[in-house]
Amino acid sequence: DVKVTQSSRYLVKRTGEKVFLECVQDMDHENMFWYRQDPGLGLRLIYFSYDVKMKEKGDIPEGYSVSREKKERFSLILESASTNQTSMYLCASRPRDRGPDTQYFGPGTRLTVL
Amino acid sequence: DQQVKQNSPSLSVQEGRISILNCDYTNSMFDYFLWYKKYPAEGPTFLISISSIKDKNEDGRFTVFLNKSAKHLSLHIVPSQPGDSAVYFCAASGNRNTGNQFYFGTGTSLTVIP
Repeated sequence: DVKVTQSSRYLVKRTGEKVFLECVQDMDHENMFWYRQDPGLGLRLIYFSYDVKMKEKGDIPEGYSVSREKKERFSLILESASTNQTSMYLCASRPRDRGPDTQYFGPGTRLTVL
Repeated sequence: DQQVKQNSPSLSVQEGRISILNCDYTNSMFDYFLWYKKYPAEGPTFLISISSIKDKNEDGRFTVFLNKSAKHLSLHIVPSQPGDSAVYFCAASGNRNTGNQFYFGTGTSLTVIP
């Protein structure tokens, strides 16, 4: 059974804090993704990675960075959290050279920045 | 700029009836389309897809229709069941295999009333 796990289901942070969101997949997938989901805006891609230590910006990378030191783990970093980063964050992974129908999502982390 | 739009944020249908969820897109370069289903507290899961070379794809109770000239796709669920109650996202990409980016709609929350 394929699995994408995220370190926290709910997180509350203060403005200005550095925040780490962790994602781990056990399917040996090359590609990993971070999205945020907001009402009325759907899912928007923040960053993705197609290999260890590789990263690409998505549609909304501002205010975020990522780290992929190991194949199975993809971290999203909010260097200085702001209230407009309150959102649901979803991690996903899929194999290289396979279509988006093979993409698996984690359960999400609901982040609140006060 | 939202390239994939779902204009109905919610839909209620009686059990046993047909559910029709609609999706519009603006980019004529999109040629692969997907529907995802999302239950509360879970990540989205792939439901059904269609390539632009087809105008219909069927999988059990789920059928996706594509009208390229109108840049419109729809998901039909027949018959609807209470377990189908979820948020449905449509998504589009430029190619099934290339491009790590695909674009999600804003979601439609379906409630199937027993």
